[in-house]
Amino acid sequence: GESVGLHLPTLSVQEGDNSIINCAYSNSASDYFIWYKQESGKGPQFIIDIRSNMDKRQGQRVTVLLNKTVKHLSLQIAATQPGDSAVYFCAEVVENAGNMLTFGGGTRLMVKP
Amino acid sequence: DVKVTQSSRYLVKRTGEKVFLECVQDMDHENMFWYRQDPGLGLRLIYFSYDVKMKEKGDIPEGYSVSREKKERFSLILESASTNQTSMYLCASRPPSGRTDTQYFGPGTRLTVL
Repeated sequence: GESVGLHLPTLSVQEGDNSIINCAYSNSASDYFIWYKQESGKGPQFIIDIRSNMDKRQGQRVTVLLNKTVKHLSLQIAATQPGDSAVYFCAEVVENAGNMLTFGGGTRLMVKP
Repeated sequence: DVKVTQSSRYLVKRTGEKVFLECVQDMDHENMFWYRQDPGLGLRLIYFSYDVKMKEKGDIPEGYSVSREKKERFSLILESASTNQTSMYLCASRPPSGRTDTQYFGPGTRLTVL
């Protein structure tokens, strides 16, 4: 069946470096994609989303890139800070399927001081 | 400030017990969801509700039931808890418009079934 997944379960980066978290998806009918951040002991929090007709979207210190040719999504975090340490999830949404979210397995980002 | 609250952060139950997990949102959202979260499997949808007294099965409803008697409250019920239901349970809500940034999650309930 259709699925959303992540390449790396754990990513360790030095404080101040840029981080790149990757996600592969298989449902070409997805209308948009969302990145969530989940800190320890908390529920997931929305970070940024991108519609399927876009290639790139920027937020505050974050950029999401979408490559529909290879069905790949990435989240780039600039100047990674200790507060960025968390688990990051990508999710895909098909609007004519009731806007239900299909989540990937998650990547843990660890920021070294 | 919007808020989704869950009745317990940590819960320990014995096999065979009936377990109630409560979720309350103060945003007047129509849609509410229950997920479970397990390492390496991400969030999986158990049940959801589009309105009061309405419920729909998600991807993994077996062993669970739900109740939505009031708009702000969505309860997850484990009729007879089993050890494979040890997990983190997350509740979420969103309005019917489906804006991507308006799905809010609660802090989660970590359930251990012994």
